Amino acid sequence: EVQLVESGGDLVQPGGSLRLSCAASGFTFSSYWMTWVRQAPGKGLEWVAAIRHDASQKDYGDSVKGRFTISRDNAKNSLYLEMNSLRVEDTAVYYCARGRLVVASGGRYSGLDVWGQGTTVTVSS
Amino acid sequence: IVMTQSPVSLPVTPGEPASISCRSSQSLLHSNGYNYLDWYLQRPGRSPQVLIYLGSNRASGVPDRFSGSVSGTDFTLKISRVEAEDVGVYYCLQALQTPQTFGQGTKLEIK
Repeated sequence: EVQLVESGGDLVQPGGSLRLSCAASGFTFSSYWMTWVRQAPGKGLEWVAAIRHDASQKDYGDSVKGRFTISRDNAKNSLYLEMNSLRVEDTAVYYCARGRLVVASGGRYSGLDVWGQGTTVTVSS
Repeated sequence: IVMTQSPVSLPVTPGEPASISCRSSQSLLHSNGYNYLDWYLQRPGRSPQVLIYLGSNRASGVPDRFSGSVSGTDFTLKISRVEAEDVGVYYCLQALQTPQTFGQGTKLEIK
């Protein structure tokens, strides 16, 4: 079964740090772009960051650039989000999602077609 | 790229059609000929799921009552006959440029 499972969400004080993880199973993790999306309480979806299958490209949303770092370990089928200098407005459910498939002949885009269940980050004093 | 989605709220009678619009502030047309616009549904208490990708391609397992269309920078999601299970918030997402951007969401409810 294709699956993504996030973990690492917690209550943290403003200015603190946190590391989220996303464990992938059931597919060839090393062949896919991966993305983090968040949703603040009662709000819409916000794209946070994405990483190429081989980690050669990383992109960030404007609100997290310089504070968050996306990374991956293909040997462990895992995606990470290192969050520093956390702000109250970073409070949200964080989802990891599977993106574009990259293969030698080019690749295939099918949207963000697999999502985890989310992990909750609360930034509060 | 700014995505402007409408309406914010959409009450629909079961069996009736529904339509949601999304307008992008610039073209989402890639050089490969595809428009990088997706539609997602987030059911209450659930993670989002993709319905339509690249403007008009239905994702695997999505009922054929869902369809997507493109006209320049205007994108439309149509549900031919709304069912109770279609309740939730619908989002468009532009995936052409980073940072990728979602529309504000449309909450579909059953009358």
